[in-house]
Amino acid sequence: QVHLVQSGAEVKKPGASVKVSCKASGYIFSTYGISWVRQAPGQGLEWMGWINTYNGNTNYAQKLQGRVTMTTDTSSTTSYMELRGLRSGDTAVYYCAREGGGLSGSDNWFDPWGQGTLVTVSS
Amino acid sequence: QSVLPQPPSASGTPGQRVTISCSGSRSNIGINAVNWYQQLPGTAPKLLIYSNNQRPSGVPDRFSGSKSGTSASLAISGLQSEDEADYYCSAWDDSLNVWVFGGGTKLTVL
Repeated sequence: QVHLVQSGAEVKKPGASVKVSCKASGYIFSTYGISWVRQAPGQGLEWMGWINTYNGNTNYAQKLQGRVTMTTDTSSTTSYMELRGLRSGDTAVYYCAREGGGLSGSDNWFDPWGQGTLVTVSS
Repeated sequence: QSVLPQPPSASGTPGQRVTISCSGSRSNIGINAVNWYQQLPGTAPKLLIYSNNQRPSGVPDRFSGSKSGTSASLAISGLQSEDEADYYCSAWDDSLNVWVFGGGTKLTVL
């Protein structure tokens, strides 16, 4: 069974960085990409970016360019999302999701999702 | 304001049929497939419908999706109490180069 298990909740001060992990199991890791999606308290879903787990290529949402880095470790089937320069508006639950299934990237979908990691930014 | 406007709320009684709409544009729903996600309270989103109208294994056939032009909709028939959740539509946007989501519709079963 396909599973994505994320690291635990974090509390960070403004200006700090956070790195969230996402360990995959139950499928061939390098055959699907990983997307990261965040959800601020009481708000909707916001796509942050995607990493190709085969070659490490990334595509980040322009809004987060320069502050986010996504990496992957095929030996441990784990993907990571690091966000720098944290501010209060970054307080959210961060999800990783396996992306794939479509004939082209624009026809993909997210399945499954990790359980989520709450990142709280507070002084 | 979401790129894919959805009604913020919907409701129905057990057994009823409800429909949730999702409005897009030529750069997203107009040319790309639509996916729907269900988020039960306090849990991660779950894939409900992919490629406009396909159900993943395990999703009851009470759930169905459709797309026409730049709009999509999710229909839930035979409404059950366990269907109370937030529902999000999503599609790739070729102009913004991002996955866009609807603002979410909170479904209440009365």
